[in-house]
Amino acid sequence: NAGVMQNPRHLVRRRGQEARLRCSPMKGHSHVYWYRQLPEEGLKFMVYLQKENIIDESGMPKERFSAEFPKEGPSILRIQQVVRGDSAAYFCASSQSARETQYFGPGTRLLVL
Amino acid sequence: AQTVTQSQPEMSVQEAETVTLSCTYDTSESDYYLFWYKQPPSRQMILVIRQEAYKQQNATENRFSVNFQKAAKSFSLKISDSQLGDAAMYFCAYRSAGGATNKLIFGTGTLLAVQP
Repeated sequence: NAGVMQNPRHLVRRRGQEARLRCSPMKGHSHVYWYRQLPEEGLKFMVYLQKENIIDESGMPKERFSAEFPKEGPSILRIQQVVRGDSAAYFCASSQSARETQYFGPGTRLLVL
Repeated sequence: AQTVTQSQPEMSVQEAETVTLSCTYDTSESDYYLFWYKQPPSRQMILVIRQEAYKQQNATENRFSVNFQKAAKSFSLKISDSQLGDAAMYFCAYRSAGGATNKLIFGTGTLLAVQP
């Protein structure tokens, strides 16, 4: 049973470009969460989605960041016009239901030059 | 708002010895979950152990056990018979059991070194 998959594992962007991070949840999981880990810090919640719906986006910056989890396909975290401060590890987690444990993917390391 | 505090930025333990990592949290909720996650150098987040607040019995997973003190809002992790592979960053996390959000709130982590 494959775990949570994220791609790409590493992404390099120049300032002003767009970054698209993809997350495929574990089989049978319909709840997806995105977290960001800045260097030398713990993980911070960004957004929680359930198929086609954003449930909680309280941790996501209001500008330049968006997330979706379509009926078919992976969840996408999109960062427009990236800045150096966006450099971080972005982790996706999934769970089978709202009360179940969240399992994490390997993360995407974003570096903005 | 809920907060999670890990007051030990770094810890060290000898191989085969026992070490305890501390975690305290603040909440006004009565029903919640607590977790310990491990992040080795690969940076993959790995679930170590989970505790439901309504359960009085402390959770155990092989060499890993917790000391959950609900009144004191304390949730420490004990690693017995430490192995070199236990070297990692350990994060304590809190999650509400009710409400619409299921976000995990993490502490700042404790970096554990295991000495051979």
